[in-house]
Amino acid sequence: ELKVEQNPLFLSMQEGKNYTIYCNYSTTSDRLYWYRQDPGKSLESLFVLLSNGAVKQEGRLMASLDTKARLSTLHITAAVHDLSATYFCAGPSNAGGTSYGKLTFGQGTILTVHP
Amino acid sequence: DARVTQTPRHKVTEMGQEVTMRCQPILGHNTVFWYRQTMMQGLELLAYFRNRAPLDDSGMPKDRFSAEMPDATLATLKIQPSEPRDSAVYFCASGRWSNNEQFFGPGTRLTVL
Repeated sequence: ELKVEQNPLFLSMQEGKNYTIYCNYSTTSDRLYWYRQDPGKSLESLFVLLSNGAVKQEGRLMASLDTKARLSTLHITAAVHDLSATYFCAGPSNAGGTSYGKLTFGQGTILTVHP
Repeated sequence: DARVTQTPRHKVTEMGQEVTMRCQPILGHNTVFWYRQTMMQGLELLAYFRNRAPLDDSGMPKDRFSAEMPDATLATLKIQPSEPRDSAVYFCASGRWSNNEQFFGPGTRLTVL
């Protein structure tokens, strides 16, 4: 079954700075999902990456997928306080079989953006 | 605006009491997932269903937890008897079998005293 590892797990940034969160996964997957969770709230779908080389951008966040390297990145540009949240990546637990439809989540990266 | 709904949003109960949490998945979704989130353990998958049939409940303590889908619009998670260690936020999510993307409900924050 898929294993997903994120790093860093904790990220403290200054406003205006750039940084990247990395999501490594253990077996071949052609898709990867990013979620955001604000404190005390639910998980919200951020990006759906469905193929090798896929790149999605929304505001100051950009996500990409490299299926050959089994790596997805979430890049933050010119961070602002509103981006403070926990970010999860997730991949299909097993393509095909009874795990189809099920996601394996990374541990989450807690991002704090300071003035 | 299709959303997963969960009730209750908050529940405080005493140890030994039965707790029932309900979830209404998004219309047309045929997979439903129950997760539990705590600071210590993070996000844990408890059980999931496809077309109302349970596929995997290995993440759930079987002696006290049960999950069902009486119909396509309702999923339930019961704890009987509840214990303080069950205190957590319980999320329901739904999706389509052909697509792994899951949409999460607002969660039920459970406190067992």
